[in-house]
Amino acid sequence: EAGVAQSPRYKIIEKRQSVAFWCNPISGHATLYWYQQILGQGPKLLIQFQNNGVVDDSQLPKDRFSAERLKGVDSTLKIQPAKLEDSAVYLCASSLDRGQELFFGEGSRLTVL
Amino acid sequence: KNEVEQSPQNLTAQEGEFITINCSYSVGISALHWLQQHPGGGIVSLFMLSSGKKKHGRLIATINIQEKHSSLHITASHPRDSAVYICAVSRGGADGLTFGKGTHLIIQP
Repeated sequence: EAGVAQSPRYKIIEKRQSVAFWCNPISGHATLYWYQQILGQGPKLLIQFQNNGVVDDSQLPKDRFSAERLKGVDSTLKIQPAKLEDSAVYLCASSLDRGQELFFGEGSRLTVL
Repeated sequence: KNEVEQSPQNLTAQEGEFITINCSYSVGISALHWLQQHPGGGIVSLFMLSSGKKKHGRLIATINIQEKHSSLHITASHPRDSAVYICAVSRGGADGLTFGKGTHLIIQP
């Protein structure tokens, strides 16, 4: 069974540039999460989707971050414009349904210079 | 105070030792998760539990709901167990996990 796929694995940009990350969850998983993990800290939830609807985006900095899951399958997370403090690993996870076991992707490591 | 606290933050042990990592939480939960993260790698779910004890190979996870405490044990530790072990909780009414800061484990040969 294929796992959660993320791309790119690594991205280096300068501040004020934009970046987009892509996630393809495990087939059939209705719930998709984006987490931000800053070095030395635990992951922080940015947004949770249930199919193509947003369940929780309370911690998403909406002035610069956006995410979508238009067809309820894969998802993109965009940052525009990026700030130095956005340097982190962006983790995508999916689960069969809400409250079920999470499966994580390898993450996308962003460095903002 | 963080809602999920882990101890120790760092642990170095010799191969073969019995390892215990502790997790305490201060909120109501629907489930507790133990996760493993290797350097530069993604996160792997080890256990998801809401009561009692679970065992998988050399790993054992226990939870005491009344005391709001969980432990992860590794028996006969091996250098390949070296990783960051993260405790996370699912809170009632919210699905997204609340994570501890992780325990950085190094097993020396």
